Amino acid sequence: GEDVEQSLFLSVREGDSSVINCTYTDSSSTYLYWYKQEPGAGLQLLTYIFSNMDMKQDQRLTVLLNKKDKHLSLRIADTQTGDSAIYFCAGRGDYKLSFGAGTTVTVRA
Amino acid sequence: EAGVVQSPRYKIIEKKQPVAFWCNPISGHNTLYWYLQNLGQGPELLIRYENEEAVDDSQLPKDRFSAERLKGVDSTLKIQPAELGDSAVYLCASSRGTGNIGELFFGEGSRLTVL
Repeated sequence: GEDVEQSLFLSVREGDSSVINCTYTDSSSTYLYWYKQEPGAGLQLLTYIFSNMDMKQDQRLTVLLNKKDKHLSLRIADTQTGDSAIYFCAGRGDYKLSFGAGTTVTVRA
Repeated sequence: EAGVVQSPRYKIIEKKQPVAFWCNPISGHNTLYWYLQNLGQGPELLIRYENEEAVDDSQLPKDRFSAERLKGVDSTLKIQPAELGDSAVYLCASSRGTGNIGELFFGEGSRLTVL
């Protein structure tokens, strides 16, 4: 199965960019995903990238994929207080998703 | 469009007692998942249904956990008897089908505390 690792915490000042990093092990993962979880809520799909892409941009979100290094990152531009949450990356393999432990992003004023 | 609905949101029980969680997926979503989320961890798949068939239950501890999705719509996850280590959040998710397997819609979860 897929093993996914993430850094656990990130603190960023409001208005700055956030970069959340993730590494995965299964090179056959066809899609890689970013989910967001706010306190007391379920996970919400933010964006995903197909494995034959290097980059995907969606408004304030930019996903970068380095297949050689099996490294995925999520950049949030102009980070707002509403972006404070836990962010999970996930890889798809064997008809199921494998999630990392999540990165807790704290936005400070 | 209504989201994935789970109940109860919170449950506190003593060890060795039974507990059940219910999930109603988004209308038209054939695939239903139960995930376990321990504190500080990402969700881990317990079971996946395609309509009423459990197609992946390899991670479900079958000695005490059971699940059903009799009519291919809503689903129930049961633990009997509960142990202290079962304290966690149980998340239900649904998707349109196997082809959309990464595009999951999650419910708010059922938080279980076993005393």
